[in-house]
Amino acid sequence: DIQMTQSPSFLSAYVGDRVTITCRASQSIGSSLNWYQQKPEKAPKVLIFAASSLQSGVPSRFAGSGSGTDFTLTINNLQPEDFVTYFCQQSYSVPYSFGQGTRLEIK
Amino acid sequence: EVQLVESGGGLVRPGGSLRLSCSASGFMFSSFSMTWVRQAPGKGLEWVANIYQDGSEKYYVDSVKGRFTISRDNSKNSLFLQMNSLRAEDTAVYYCARDVITLVRGVIVGYYLDYWGQGTVVTVAS
Repeated sequence: DIQMTQSPSFLSAYVGDRVTITCRASQSIGSSLNWYQQKPEKAPKVLIFAASSLQSGVPSRFAGSGSGTDFTLTINNLQPEDFVTYFCQQSYSVPYSFGQGTRLEIK
Repeated sequence: EVQLVESGGGLVRPGGSLRLSCSASGFMFSSFSMTWVRQAPGKGLEWVANIYQDGSEKYYVDSVKGRFTISRDNSKNSLFLQMNSLRAEDTAVYYCARDVITLVRGVIVGYYLDYWGQGTVVTVAS
């Protein structure tokens, strides 16, 4: 099975900052990487699919990059509603595992 | 409007069984593969199982193989998860989600979950 390692687990930043979250796969997964945002007590919502494609309706301040084993989610100009939790997920091979999550907190 | 509504969660004793349901509306259910994802209290997301559009292929995470069975009834726009031999570590919110195929120049390069239900809570405790 493919293991997904996200870093950092916790991240503090100010409104208006730019932050980067990293996801590393235990083997090459091409561009089969998705990013989700989860607000407290809510179901996750997809932000980025296929490593860098922005889901319809998602603000352009979210961007994904990477291929192979190393991926990043960048959030530019952080807004108050962005201070929630983010997960990566590989869809290269079943089970389509998730990273452990990154909780973004307001500084 | 796409909607996924889970039901069937509850409190069950270790070793017991539960059957979760997910009722789909607002899209052609039979055209999409479907997935169950769970989230233990205060923890991350765990992909649990997936089923093809026609039910011909099913996949499971190792921790539930032999205990959980995913199925669907396309005539009723419904997805199911039969959970047997439940353990304390199965305690979680269970979400159903719709799979979308990612194509690049006509080649499948992956999948993502574009719509999720609100989740149903399963608690396994004595």
